[in-house]
Amino acid sequence: AQSVTQPDIHITVSEGASLELRCNYSYGATPYLFWYVQSPGQGLQLLLKYFSGDTLVQGIKGFEAEFKRSQSSFNLRKPSVHWSDAAEYFCAVGSPTSGTYKYIFGTGTRLKVLA
Amino acid sequence: GAVVSQHPSWVICKSGTSVKIECRSLDFQATTMFWYRQFPKQSLMLMATSNEGSKATYEQGVEKDKFLINHASLTLSTLTVTSAHPEDSSFYICSARDRFQGSSYNEQFFGPGTRLTVL
Repeated sequence: AQSVTQPDIHITVSEGASLELRCNYSYGATPYLFWYVQSPGQGLQLLLKYFSGDTLVQGIKGFEAEFKRSQSSFNLRKPSVHWSDAAEYFCAVGSPTSGTYKYIFGTGTRLKVLA
Repeated sequence: GAVVSQHPSWVICKSGTSVKIECRSLDFQATTMFWYRQFPKQSLMLMATSNEGSKATYEQGVEKDKFLINHASLTLSTLTVTSAHPEDSSFYICSARDRFQGSSYNEQFFGPGTRLTVL
């Protein structure tokens, strides 16, 4: 069955520290991959996406993610976290197959940033 | 570009009443829109896929008679929660797919969400 796993429900880091949020997927083919951020009471903001090509993807707000086919992973990274990065982060996959446009979302990782 | 709006952003209603939420694609046309529901501190759950000019496709376990979806134009889909009850209180998010995306290109653009509170 198709699924997306975000193993870490909560992560706490100190401001200025590096960050890595994990995302693993189970899919028949290489899906389209997305990372979204959601602040409390707000909608989703797209951080970055991977469709094909270079496996290291740069996004907004200094985030990047690396697609690793062998590990079925698409981990999100940031070298230095800011207090404003505290939010909920969702990994999502979308089908690369024509006519199937649903997304599957991971359960999310809540990031807390210590001053 | 690719902006999706929702109206209202929040709504409070009495139990037993119906509430309509609008989802609009502002600068593109969307043949397909999606409706999600999100409970506090949980992930997004897809409720239904809305296709312009045809009936919506509901996910398993979603009551189609309770959550009425209409996608009458290429820029507007509506979700009506009928006979709302407190357990319907949630955050509802819509997304839309640009009709001119290639058939194998899959990207959704998300609205800001609507907070529904049923008293």
